[in-house]
Amino acid sequence: DAGVTQSPTHLIKTRGQHVTLRCSPISGHKSVSWYQQVLGQGPQFIFQYYEKEERGRGNFPDRFSARQFPNYSSELNVNALLLGDSALYLCASSPEGTLYSGYTFGSGTRLTVV
Amino acid sequence: GQQLNQSPQSMFIQEGEDVSMNCTSSSIFNTWLWYKQDPGEGPVLLIALYKAGELTSNGRLTAQFGITRKDSFLNISASIPSDVGIYFCAGLDQTGANNLFFGTGTRLTVIP
Repeated sequence: DAGVTQSPTHLIKTRGQHVTLRCSPISGHKSVSWYQQVLGQGPQFIFQYYEKEERGRGNFPDRFSARQFPNYSSELNVNALLLGDSALYLCASSPEGTLYSGYTFGSGTRLTVV
Repeated sequence: GQQLNQSPQSMFIQEGEDVSMNCTSSSIFNTWLWYKQDPGEGPVLLIALYKAGELTSNGRLTAQFGITRKDSFLNISASIPSDVGIYFCAGLDQTGANNLFFGTGTRLTVIP
């Protein structure tokens, strides 16, 4: 079975640009979460979506947005990129949204803002 | 917000040695998790702890959920080269979105 897949694996953007990152959860998983991992730090929670609805939001500016599609895949959008947005963006999926039943992380998208 | 501090920040050990690392939090968690992250990969779950005082093993790994619910430790026995990586503790916040708060990480290097 395929795990959590994220695309692209790497990308480079210029300050002020917009970026869209994509995530496909494990088949049967209905919940997707996004995390930002700056180099040398632990991942930090950005969003969680379950059944296409936002269930939680971390302490990130409104430049960050996300959505979940009927097939449970998800997109993370970041507008007006800043140098500080350079990080590894991780997607995690889980079967349920209201009960913890374990998260599986993808390998991430490495975003570099220049 | 919650802060999880891990110690030590990094460790260099000889193959075959035992390893111990700690995680302390400013807040109480009802679930503690330990993850390992290899370069270029996402974190992989090693052990989950659901009850204060719980001691759980997974092969050569043993982890304990502190009585105060504000700390946890992870032990690795008889380390091998593939144990190299960054180990993160995480507390599960079940008050809202079931999101994870990660620690600062412990980088482990095993010298063959």
